[in-house]
Amino acid sequence: GAGVSQSPSNKVTEKGKDVELRCDPISGHTALYWYRQSLGQGLEFLIYFQGNSAPDKSGLPSDRFSAERTGGSVSTLTIQRTQQEDSAVYLCASSPKALGGYTFGSGTRLTVV
Amino acid sequence: GQNIDQPTEMTATEGAIVQINCTYQTSGFNGLFWYQQHAGEAPTFLSYNVLDGLEEKGRFSSFLSRSKGYSYLLLKELQMKDSASYLCAVRDGGSARQLTFGSGTQLTVLP
Repeated sequence: GAGVSQSPSNKVTEKGKDVELRCDPISGHTALYWYRQSLGQGLEFLIYFQGNSAPDKSGLPSDRFSAERTGGSVSTLTIQRTQQEDSAVYLCASSPKALGGYTFGSGTRLTVV
Repeated sequence: GQNIDQPTEMTATEGAIVQINCTYQTSGFNGLFWYQQHAGEAPTFLSYNVLDGLEEKGRFSSFLSRSKGYSYLLLKELQMKDSASYLCAVRDGGSARQLTFGSGTQLTVLP
């Protein structure tokens, strides 16, 4: 596609529920990143995918967070048993190569009530 | 680990010039990026420096000194639409490919 697409744009969920966030990167971009941005905070790295290599999961804050990337394209970030501190904007970015600059999606605003 | 510092807020007048500083401490270095983020929107790429010196792109310029761990973003002929958060980000020199972002500088341009 023309840009990085994320869905849903907004998600309100009850504490304890699981949520799935989707990212469609730019076609042909081999690198895909997930970040989250809490209100007034900087971007916090979560996970990185590069081609068929094992993902770099070093930024995932707990084992409630997981992500996968199918067929080297679409990625899904799953948060299990959501907590109020998970409320944030979750941003996906892709780049054409590992050391390239990023193009960000518009994000998913997650609110846990 | 990495530490990236930039001012939290800045205010400037339309038509003026503003310089946003960024200092970083990293275990290695493989490039510094500046992004612009308007409220409620995704960050958009502004500039990339990997060698020392000044990179100019229209009204925006970015400078890097690797020996000092220092960069700045210079915005000339400020316009109201430049009101946004400006994010400094560094890629370290190890195997990591992700960027580490500073907390951003909220720039307000006044008429």
